Amino acid sequence: GAGVSQTPSNKVTEKGKYVELRCDPISGHTALYWYRQSLGQGPEFLIYFQGTGAADDSGLPNDRFFAVRPEGSVSTLKIQRTERGDSAMYLCASSPGLAGGSQYFGPGTRLTVT
Amino acid sequence: QKEVEQNSGPLSVPEGAIASLNCTYSDRGSQSFFWYRQYSGKSPELIMFIYSNGDKEDGRFTAQLNKASQYVSLLIRDSQPSDSATYLCAVQGDRAGNMLTFGGGTRLMVKP
Repeated sequence: GAGVSQTPSNKVTEKGKYVELRCDPISGHTALYWYRQSLGQGPEFLIYFQGTGAADDSGLPNDRFFAVRPEGSVSTLKIQRTERGDSAMYLCASSPGLAGGSQYFGPGTRLTVT
Repeated sequence: QKEVEQNSGPLSVPEGAIASLNCTYSDRGSQSFFWYRQYSGKSPELIMFIYSNGDKEDGRFTAQLNKASQYVSLLIRDSQPSDSATYLCAVQGDRAGNMLTFGGGTRLMVKP
């Protein structure tokens, strides 16, 4: 596709449930990033993939969060035992993978944990 | 201490005026600097990037970088009501794939 796509656009789940958020990057982009944005704040980095491997997962808040990118394209962010504090906009971005390359964001998934 | 600082605003300017948005950063190793525009409820949209000291112009937008002062700014000339949005400053290190560190954003309001 022309841009980064994310599904679902909105997800409402109950506290304690498991959720998966999907990201399909721009075709040919080897670098993929997940960010989380709370209301009134800038996005915060979660994890970065170069190809299939997680090159930097230092932003994941705890072990309930996990992400994969098995074939080097689509990525899935997985959150176990969701908590109300996980409610946020989850943003995916991709870049060509070059140093200093611009990152382009998808439309995001709004996660609400009730 | 926040790594990237922006005034949260709102910054209100009349239509046709120049809007000046400012950002400071703490990491002297930062190499790449980006401005994103974010409309309410939408995701960030890249509008400018700058790597070298000085000015970079693109249409009505000018990005300015001063690495010695650790300061980056965005000027929007001939501001339009459609420019009303939150502007996010983002900073990146020099390694391939470095994540972006964002400021909290400045909300701009352009009044007709």
